[in-house]
Amino acid sequence: NAGVTQTPKFRILKIGQSMTLQCAQDMNHNYMYWYRQDPGMGLKLIYYSVGAGITDKGEVPNGYNVSRSTTEDFPLRLELAAPSQTSVYFCASSYSRAAGQPQHFGDGTRLSIL
Amino acid sequence: AQKVTQAQTEISVVEKEDVTLDCVYETRDTTYYLFWYKQPPSGELVFLIRRNSFDEQNEISGRYSWNFQKSTSSFNFTITASQVVDSAVYFCALKGSGGSNYKLTFGKGTLLTVNP
Repeated sequence: NAGVTQTPKFRILKIGQSMTLQCAQDMNHNYMYWYRQDPGMGLKLIYYSVGAGITDKGEVPNGYNVSRSTTEDFPLRLELAAPSQTSVYFCASSYSRAAGQPQHFGDGTRLSIL
Repeated sequence: AQKVTQAQTEISVVEKEDVTLDCVYETRDTTYYLFWYKQPPSGELVFLIRRNSFDEQNEISGRYSWNFQKSTSSFNFTITASQVVDSAVYFCALKGSGGSNYKLTFGKGTLLTVNP
């Protein structure tokens, strides 16, 4: 019953460092998403993927990159960490893009950039 | 453009009280879906319910009930006889059926605190 697994759960970065947030799902879902959650602001979509090899930008993609080489994995990369990227990051997946399909979320990665 | 408004930022109740969390949405799509998610203090997001725009029947699941009214573009969530374990942030979300149907638009959330 793993569902969507995110690693790490917590991370502190220095300004200018880079890192990759990992996301894996074992539900054979085609669609995967990355969101960020800022205090009092709900969740905003960073990037999404409709299948292996296909990714597209969401609402707030600047400063991030993604790749989707397999159905299971959807890593999010921060190249030059900035304080504005301090946030909680959630990965989600859904079976299809059909509007009625709920997205299933991982437990989140809390990232602080100092 | 799609928008979800949860006007109540924080609500505090005493255990066993009933509480209603409000959600108002905006969309131009004629077919759309509404969701509620719960985020307990541990931080994960838990899917609670999905409703499509063609089904206005109210739904009840144990102590939880949802009231969907298209006439007022509202999808309110009521917890009956609240318990301390209900303390969480609750998010209402909307997904349309048009070109951006991949996108879940979230409200800002309502922090519910249930005191013993």
